[in-house]
Amino acid sequence: DAGVTQSPTHLIKTRGQHVTLRCSPISGHKSVSWYQQVLGQGPQFIFQYYEKEERGRGNFPDRFSARQFPNYSSELNVNALLLGDSALYLCASSLGDRGWNTEAFFGQGTRLTVV
Amino acid sequence: AQTVTQSQPEMSVQEAETVTLSCTYDTSENNYYLFWYKQPPSRQMILVIRQEAYKQQNATENRFSVNFQKAAKSFSLKISDSQLGDTAMYFCASAPQYSGAGSYQLTFGKGTKLSVIP
Repeated sequence: DAGVTQSPTHLIKTRGQHVTLRCSPISGHKSVSWYQQVLGQGPQFIFQYYEKEERGRGNFPDRFSARQFPNYSSELNVNALLLGDSALYLCASSLGDRGWNTEAFFGQGTRLTVV
Repeated sequence: AQTVTQSQPEMSVQEAETVTLSCTYDTSENNYYLFWYKQPPSRQMILVIRQEAYKQQNATENRFSVNFQKAAKSFSLKISDSQLGDTAMYFCASAPQYSGAGSYQLTFGKGTKLSVIP
């Protein structure tokens, strides 16, 4: 079975540009979460979506937005990119929203570099 | 709110030896989960072991075991018979035991870089 897939794996953007990152969860998983991992740090929670509804948002500016589609895949959008947005962006999927159904399975991430 | 602290930025261990990684946490939740994740150079976060806070028995997974001290809010990871493939970043994480319409989110520490030396 395919795991969590993210695309692209790497990309380079210029300050002020917009970027869209994509995530396909494990088949049957209805929850997708996004994390930002700056070099040398642990991942930080950005968003969680469950059944296409936003369930939670971390301490990130409004330049960050996301959505979940009917097939449970998800997009993370970042507007007006800053140098500080350079990071590894991780997507995690989980089966549901109860107990161990919330166990997160991670993709390999998208490495975003803003120049 | 939850916080996770890993006080060892880097550690090394000889192959076949045992190493313990430290983690402390703070949480306002009554029920929560604790995790250790491994992140090798491939970048993918892999779950190593998990613990339910209401369970007193320490979790074990083959060569990996934890020492969970709830009162001290301590959750250390012991790796026995270390192997070269254990070389990676290790992250301690916590999450509320969710049951409701809120969000489920992991709070991670800053990580410990473990090197296994041949």
